[in-house]
Amino acid sequence: AQSVTQLDSQVPVFEEAPVELRCNYSSSVSVYLFWYVQYPNQGLQLLLKYLSGSTLVKGINGFEAEFNKSQTSFHLRKPSVHISDTAEYFCAVSPGGATNKLIFGTGTLLAVQP
Amino acid sequence: NAGVMQNPRHLVRRRGQEARLRCSPMKGHSHVYWYRQLPEEGLKFMVYLQKENIIDESGMPKERFSAEFPKEGPSILRIQQVVRGDSAAYFCASSLGSGTGTYEQYFGPGTRLTVT
Repeated sequence: AQSVTQLDSQVPVFEEAPVELRCNYSSSVSVYLFWYVQYPNQGLQLLLKYLSGSTLVKGINGFEAEFNKSQTSFHLRKPSVHISDTAEYFCAVSPGGATNKLIFGTGTLLAVQP
Repeated sequence: NAGVMQNPRHLVRRRGQEARLRCSPMKGHSHVYWYRQLPEEGLKFMVYLQKENIIDESGMPKERFSAEFPKEGPSILRIQQVVRGDSAAYFCASSLGSGTGTYEQYFGPGTRLTVT
């Protein structure tokens, strides 16, 4: 069975500083990997996804993530954060197949301070 | 193009009552997923439906919970005889297709259920 671990429940960072949000997954089969962002009282929005090909994936709002198969990681990065990036970030995996259901981590709250 | 619609946005029920949560997928989408987000936790998959068919209900509690996606109208998640532990945010997502991970799931704003 697949699972996702987001070790950091909160990441405080100053505005314009770089940030990395960590995500590790476990799976015995190939998976597809996703990062979603959730702003307060809203639904989830897809930031980026890895399906195959280049291990460096670029997404919206200046975010990128790198798939590392040997370390089973898919960390999210941004070189310079803004106050507006303050939100909950969820890493997810999907085994694909017939259902394509998403398996989420517990989330990381990115708190950007001025 | 309207996104995924969910209503109500907030629902308060007393223990023992029934809760009905509605989800209208994006136009043209015939695949619907329901997820539950408990406080301080990530989203947990509940059920995946296509029109008139339940494809995967492996995440649904065995009792009191049911879901449907009729040929016409929204998808409904029904919780009978609610208990305090059912208090959570319930999110619906829709997609054009399934399989291979290529079809993005678009999420609605969620229904926040509070059981008193």
